[in-house]
Amino acid sequence: QVQLQESGPGLVKPSETLSLTCTVSGDSISIYYWTWIRQPPGKGLEWIGYINRSGNINYNPSLKSRLTMSVDTSKNQFSLKLSSVTAADTAVYYCARGSVVNRFFDYWGQGTLVTVSS
Amino acid sequence: SYVLTQPPSVSVAPGKTARITCGGNNVGSKSVHWYQQKPGQAPVLVIYYDIDRPSRPSGIPERFSGSNSGNTATLTISRVEVGDEADYYCQVWDSSGDHWVFGGGTKLTI
Repeated sequence: QVQLQESGPGLVKPSETLSLTCTVSGDSISIYYWTWIRQPPGKGLEWIGYINRSGNINYNPSLKSRLTMSVDTSKNQFSLKLSSVTAADTAVYYCARGSVVNRFFDYWGQGTLVTVSS
Repeated sequence: SYVLTQPPSVSVAPGKTARITCGGNNVGSKSVHWYQQKPGQAPVLVIYYDIDRPSRPSGIPERFSGSNSGNTATLTISRVEVGDEADYYCQVWDSSGDHWVFGGGTKLTI
């Protein structure tokens, strides 16, 4: 059974960089789109971007200038960095596995709440 | 960028049929996937499109079905149960920008 687990600080100060890691177990980081999705409190889902095992990346245009994603196949992990955060970046951040053919998300992490506050 | 529009809320009595719509420009030409999210939990895939037909992941009841035509995709839940109360999101892949797009979500109240 594939499992994803997010990890990282739950509190980040404004203007600093939010950093999260997703650890994949039960499968190797193979031919999927390893994706970050976020959900502000009480609001809907927002696709942040994806990275695949080859390092190919695509970001949400609204976040692109502040985003960096990376993958470490040796550790079966992929990571997210979002710079210059503000209170608007406060959200539950999910990592998820995106299918290559049909482009849906079949496995999700439990999510981690990141609060931006001084 | 591509936009998906969902009604904010839908209410239905237990045992009846719930229909949640997802509108988008020519969405019938796209594969529309649906997720169920209960409070405090991660979304769960309930309907996905495979070879242009809706399918259910293992463990999802047959009461859940999907359809898609023209500018509207629909998630149908038959014989609704109290346990179906949740937020539901539609999602597509926008090939023009290689982006994934979610609808705004619909709160289903039983």
